[in-house]
Amino acid sequence: DAKTTQPPSMDCAEGRAANLPCNHSTISGNEYVYWYRQIHSQGPQYIIHGLKNNETNEMASLIITEDRKSSTLILPHATLRDTAVYYCIVRGVWNDYKLSFGAGTTVTVRA
Amino acid sequence: DAGVIQSPRHEVTEMGQEVTLRCKPISGHNSLFWYRQTMMRGLELLIYFNNNVPIDDSGMPEDRFSAKMPNASFSTLKIQPSEPRDSAVYFCASTQGNSPLHFGNGTRLTVT
Repeated sequence: DAKTTQPPSMDCAEGRAANLPCNHSTISGNEYVYWYRQIHSQGPQYIIHGLKNNETNEMASLIITEDRKSSTLILPHATLRDTAVYYCIVRGVWNDYKLSFGAGTTVTVRA
Repeated sequence: DAGVIQSPRHEVTEMGQEVTLRCKPISGHNSLFWYRQTMMRGLELLIYFNNNVPIDDSGMPEDRFSAKMPNASFSTLKIQPSEPRDSAVYFCASTQGNSPLHFGNGTRLTVT
């Protein structure tokens, strides 16, 4: 059950902001938007999550539209180490322990 | 915080052999997950434990796969007998409540 849609790939210049879109038009009221990334040969790494409000942490910012049908992950100053596959996932709060990872977006940061 | 620890990092075995993958979750976490990742199928949830009890094993592909969690600090995923199509990267993840999942760095299994 594909709850999210992401572009398969995108390039970004080092030092510039990377804006990663995600569509989740069927999201329900109690579902959060989570972002993970997977750097080559490593396990997925949690980045950020949100419900309604925009969120920011040391890694990234998450902008969720007012209707919650889409969101954007922003890496403010991309570095070469940010090259990874980025996964956008919707997850409920209770009883929804399954994180359904789709294909994600392969982000390549170029010098 | 050492994170989720998996061993071995790499495993190469011959078809028909038994394979045991190990996982030590983060201390204090009460939920543990085993995932498998392949190029064809991406990341798939195999089994989920809560408080050491298997809650959902619907993702376990066949009876050849079994998982145990004898205590809060240790889990194993066993494949017996192994087959070439089991070749994949197997990830263990843990969490507490509704906090984000923390993943280990995986075990790359190659069955020849």
